Amino acid sequence: ETGVTQTPRHLVMGMTNKKSLKCEQHLGHNAMYWYKQSAKKPLELMFVYSLEERVENNSVPSRFSPECPNSSHLFLHLHTLQPEDSALYLCASSQVYSLAGVGRGGELFFGEGSRLTVL
Amino acid sequence: ELKVEQNPLFLSMQEGKNYTIYCNYSTTSDRLYWYRQDPGKSLESLFVLLSNGAVKQEGRLMASLDTKARLSTLHITAAVHDLSATYFCAVNDMDSNYQLIWGAGTKLIIKP
Repeated sequence: ETGVTQTPRHLVMGMTNKKSLKCEQHLGHNAMYWYKQSAKKPLELMFVYSLEERVENNSVPSRFSPECPNSSHLFLHLHTLQPEDSALYLCASSQVYSLAGVGRGGELFFGEGSRLTVL
Repeated sequence: ELKVEQNPLFLSMQEGKNYTIYCNYSTTSDRLYWYRQDPGKSLESLFVLLSNGAVKQEGRLMASLDTKARLSTLHITAAVHDLSATYFCAVNDMDSNYQLIWGAGTKLIIKP
């Protein structure tokens, strides 16, 4: 396996369900990210983990709960979601977290996303 | 306040033509990224532009950065169908602790 892999690729859930999205990176990177991509909107950063510690949480509702057990794996636990949470959820990794002062760094490597539909 | 604005948001063009996608930003930034996304696929990094006047080229795509004008362009030369995708620019926002601010994307359709 190479790059960043996400599972499942598609998920349909009811508003009362609990599910999880999984992300795995095989690049040896130190930082991992969850992004939300909705139609006709810019990418929204949800969470950032650097060396397994959460470093950013951009006012995301508590019905989204991230977990980073090690630097290669990232989860997004979902419960009691709303229909407006339907979107493509993208996982990404980068070599380091800080965008400042890194040569060509800051470049993000994305997974193919998990398409979530909340009924 | 829209910090990163792409123009146009949708573009349909014929193969063989040239066109330019614009990325304007309103914040202070020292680097700009261009990404490509095919339908149902991940975002793929195309270019990282690090300084004023930077120009990078890959095949039929050429990106440039003017930090004084706060403008980047992605120029497509003699377009081919395989370049159909959505293109995103993103800037490193120095006014907000180096957050990465994304444009809404330009959906490019190239017709044979």
